[in-house]
Amino acid sequence: AQKVTQAQTEISVVEKEDVTLDCVYETRDTTYYLFWYKQPPSGELVFLIRRNSFDEQNEISGRYSWNFQKSTSSFNFTITASQVVDSAVYFCALIETSGSRLTFGEGTQLTVNP
Amino acid sequence: DTGVSQDPRHKITKRGQNVTFRCDPISEHNRLYWYRQTLGQGPEFLTYFQNEAQLEKSRLLSDRFSAERPKGSFSTLEIQRTEQGDSAMYLCASSYEQPSSYNSPLHFGNGTRLTVT
Repeated sequence: AQKVTQAQTEISVVEKEDVTLDCVYETRDTTYYLFWYKQPPSGELVFLIRRNSFDEQNEISGRYSWNFQKSTSSFNFTITASQVVDSAVYFCALIETSGSRLTFGEGTQLTVNP
Repeated sequence: DTGVSQDPRHKITKRGQNVTFRCDPISEHNRLYWYRQTLGQGPEFLTYFQNEAQLEKSRLLSDRFSAERPKGSFSTLEIQRTEQGDSAMYLCASSYEQPSSYNSPLHFGNGTRLTVT
């Protein structure tokens, strides 16, 4: 069975600080995909990134960066120079290639204070 | 692309009543998913359709829940004899192919928040 753990329930930072959101996953499949979604107060889940298990190259997109380490089953997300608009709940999710359902972690509530 | 649309946004109902939610996926997406999200938790998979066929159902989907997608376009989720434990956000999502496909992440709607009193 697949499982995603986000140990940080809440994180609070001051604007312009860097912040890292942790994600650890479990799966028996050798091929799988990992995602990060953002859920602002409006409720809609916004897709941020998708990474497959064969691609361990880290990715940077603007102020966002992702560190995928297969050896530790982790897929961490860093926001550099955080802004108030980054305040949201962030979810890490996993899907096995053979499946159709995304398994989400419990989410990390990020609050960026001015 | 108008996004995934869900109606209503909020629903308050008394225990024992039936409720029905609607989801309109992105028009060219043939896959449609229902998820449930309770407070402080991540979304949990309920069921999914490929076109009009319901291909997978979670054990969370009790006999009181039924989902349809009669013409392969919009979908409805009905809960009969609602219970207080049904209070949650019901999220609909759609995709063109499997969510693992390169250019086909799940696109979520804003959800329907159900409160059972």
